[in-house]
Amino acid sequence: DSGVTQTPKHLITATGQRVTLRCSPRSGDLSVYWYQQSLDQGLQFLIQYYNGEERAKGNILERFSAQQFPDLHSELNLSSLELGDSALYFCASSPWGLEAFFGQGTRLTVV
Amino acid sequence: GQQLNQSPQSMFIQEGEDVSMNCTSSSIFNTWLWYKQEPGEGPVLLIALYKAGELTSNGRLTAQFGITRKDSFLNISASIPSDVGIYFCAGQLTSGSARQLTFGSGTQLTVLP
Repeated sequence: DSGVTQTPKHLITATGQRVTLRCSPRSGDLSVYWYQQSLDQGLQFLIQYYNGEERAKGNILERFSAQQFPDLHSELNLSSLELGDSALYFCASSPWGLEAFFGQGTRLTVV
Repeated sequence: GQQLNQSPQSMFIQEGEDVSMNCTSSSIFNTWLWYKQEPGEGPVLLIALYKAGELTSNGRLTAQFGITRKDSFLNISASIPSDVGIYFCAGQLTSGSARQLTFGSGTQLTVLP
C-alpha cells in the first residue's frame, strides 16, 4: 500500500459527460501528480500541484483540469468526455523531493 | 518533449535466470527511477538514482544511472515467479518544486517455472 488513495476505482460514463476523480496523497506529501495510462500511449504526465499551486504541466487537454485543495487532496476534472479518454488515471504524491508514489488508479470507461 | 526508448518490449525467461533491461533518452535527466506495475495496480517504485554513474541495489535488483545522464539499466538476478510484471523506467526533470516524470514504454517480464 503506497498510502495514496484514489476514488473511485472504476467509473463508467457516457460520451459528453463530466467526471471528477479524487486523490488523497500520502500524509505529509505536498506534491500531487496526475498521469494517464492508455494502451497506445503508455503513462503520460498530465499535471503537478505543489502545496495548492500548479507547478508543472504535461500534455493535458483543455477539457481536463485539476486542483489541489488546502488539505492537499486533489481532484482531476474531465469534461466533454470522448471514447478516447478511456484509460487508467493515476495520482501520485511525493514530499519535497524526488520519488513519486502512485495510487491504485481510477479506471475510466467512456461508452 | 523528451522521449524514452525502453528495451526490450517483452522478455520470457526461465526461473533463476538473470534479466537486463535498459532505457535511453534523447535528453538529460536529473533522476532516473525504475517502477514495476502488476495488473490492476499502480506502479511501485523499485529503485531511484540521483547521480550520474550511480549504481544502486535493492535486493536482487541493481540499477545504474548512465554517465551521460541519458540512459539507465536495470538488472534482476536469479528471477523468481513473483518478478512477473511490467517494468518501467522513468526520467525526471526538476526545476525548483516542479517535477515531471517521463516514462518509458515498459518491459513486460514473464518468468517461466
